[in-house]
Amino acid sequence: QKEVEQNSGPLSVPEGAIASLNCTYSDRVSQSFFWYRQYSGKSPELIMSIYSNGDKEDGRFTAQLNKASQYVSLLIRDSQPSDSATYLCAVNPDLNAGGTSYGKLTFGQGTILTVHP
Amino acid sequence: DVKVTQSSRYLVKRTGEKVFLECVQDMDHENMFWYRQDPGLGLRLIYFSYDVKMKEKGDIPEGYSVSREKKERFSLILESASTNQTSMYLCASSFLGDQPQHFGDGTRLSIL
Repeated sequence: QKEVEQNSGPLSVPEGAIASLNCTYSDRVSQSFFWYRQYSGKSPELIMSIYSNGDKEDGRFTAQLNKASQYVSLLIRDSQPSDSATYLCAVNPDLNAGGTSYGKLTFGQGTILTVHP
Repeated sequence: DVKVTQSSRYLVKRTGEKVFLECVQDMDHENMFWYRQDPGLGLRLIYFSYDVKMKEKGDIPEGYSVSREKKERFSLILESASTNQTSMYLCASSFLGDQPQHFGDGTRLSIL
């Protein structure tokens, strides 16, 4: 069973701080990784995609990928109360030898982030 | 922007009814997915489709079926609704390969 594990949370940070969300995955051949934000009662919204080792920055968000250690993280700089949500890590396995993932994603259970003023 | 539209935000049905949830995407995506999301259980894949008329079971297909007659439309069918199918249902779509999924707004379904 391919697994995606996220830090259990909930995570609480003060406004203006850096929030760090972590995710590990068990399938070594996974090739693409995504972070979604989900507000209470709403659907998941894609906020970051990362495919290569290293950092990828988009505004206040930075995704970090380390395939050798099988982890992906999301940093939120200058956290705002509007960042309070559940963050979902998702991994797309790369099936070779005639297989295909058909775009299926394995999701973590999510980490609840609260940013308090 | 990608647009995934689910036909209803809220739906109330009775036990034993046949229930249809509709999903339409406007980005010519090959893949479409149906999930349910329950507190503490995360997102669980019910069915997915990678082409017209093609479908594959996900992790929890029991009690559900799907239909994909056109590329842009993917329907989830509850053959005989039961109270344990009360949940948030989410539709998503994506291009082939290692592309992200994009979600609709969800349908909160209550079975009484």
